[in-house]
Amino acid sequence: QVQLVESGGGVVQPGGSLRLSCAASGFTFSNCGLFWVRQAPGKGLEWVAFLQYDGSSEFYADSVKGRFTISRDTSKNTLYLQMNSLRGDDSAVYYCAKQQQAGSHHFDYWGQGTLLTVSS
Amino acid sequence: QTVVTQEPSFSVSPGGTVTLTCGFSSGSVSTNNYPSWYQQTPGQAPRTLIYNTNTRSSGVPDRFSGSVLGKKAALTITGAQANDESDYYCVLYLGSGIWVFGGGTKLTVL
Repeated sequence: QVQLVESGGGVVQPGGSLRLSCAASGFTFSNCGLFWVRQAPGKGLEWVAFLQYDGSSEFYADSVKGRFTISRDTSKNTLYLQMNSLRGDDSAVYYCAKQQQAGSHHFDYWGQGTLLTVSS
Repeated sequence: QTVVTQEPSFSVSPGGTVTLTCGFSSGSVSTNNYPSWYQQTPGQAPRTLIYNTNTRSSGVPDRFSGSVLGKKAALTITGAQANDESDYYCVLYLGSGIWVFGGGTKLTVL
C-alpha cells in the first residue's frame, strides 16, 4: 500500500535552514509528481511546491519561491524540501502528497505530516 | 494573487443535504481547473474525496458528489452523518504547475 512518511521537522530560529524528507513506498516513485503542502497552526491548507514526475520541473507558491527547493532521490524513494531563510509564518505542519499519476491534477495520497516551528 | 473562496462554516442536520462551494474571488471555475475536495478532521492528514470535478476517490461513499454549479465548484453531501463533521478544502489548478487551496469550510452536523 502507498505510504508517505515525513520527517525532519523541528524548531529553527528565524533566518535558519532545515531540510524535510518524505520517504515513499508502495508505488513507482518516478511515475508521478510529488507535492509539499503545509498547514499553519489553526489555519487552512496551503500548496507549497510541486515536482514533476520526471524531476524535470519544479513549481513553487509565491510565498516560498526563492527560499525553498523541492527535490528527490529516486535511489532512496525520498522527496525533500530544503527550506532556507525561514520566517515565523513558515511555521506549520508540512505534508507530502503524490499525484495519482503523471498529468493528474490532485493530491492522491498524503503523509501524516511533520511540524516545523520557526522561533527564537 | 489568486484567491479561492469557500464558506467559512456551514451547518447541516443529520440526514440532510448540504452543498459547499468553491470559487474564485474574481472569475469563474471551470472543469479546466480540475476542482478537487479534501476532508480533514482535527489532528489528521487530509483525505481525498473528489477529484477532476466529480470523480470520487477510492472508498469514498456515494453520499459525496462533486460538480460545477454556475461559476463555482461544488461538493454536495447527501444524507449527512455525524462523522461528516470535518473541515472541507477545495483545490483549484491554475495551470503552469500552480495549485491554490480555498480557505476551507468547517461543517457542523447537528
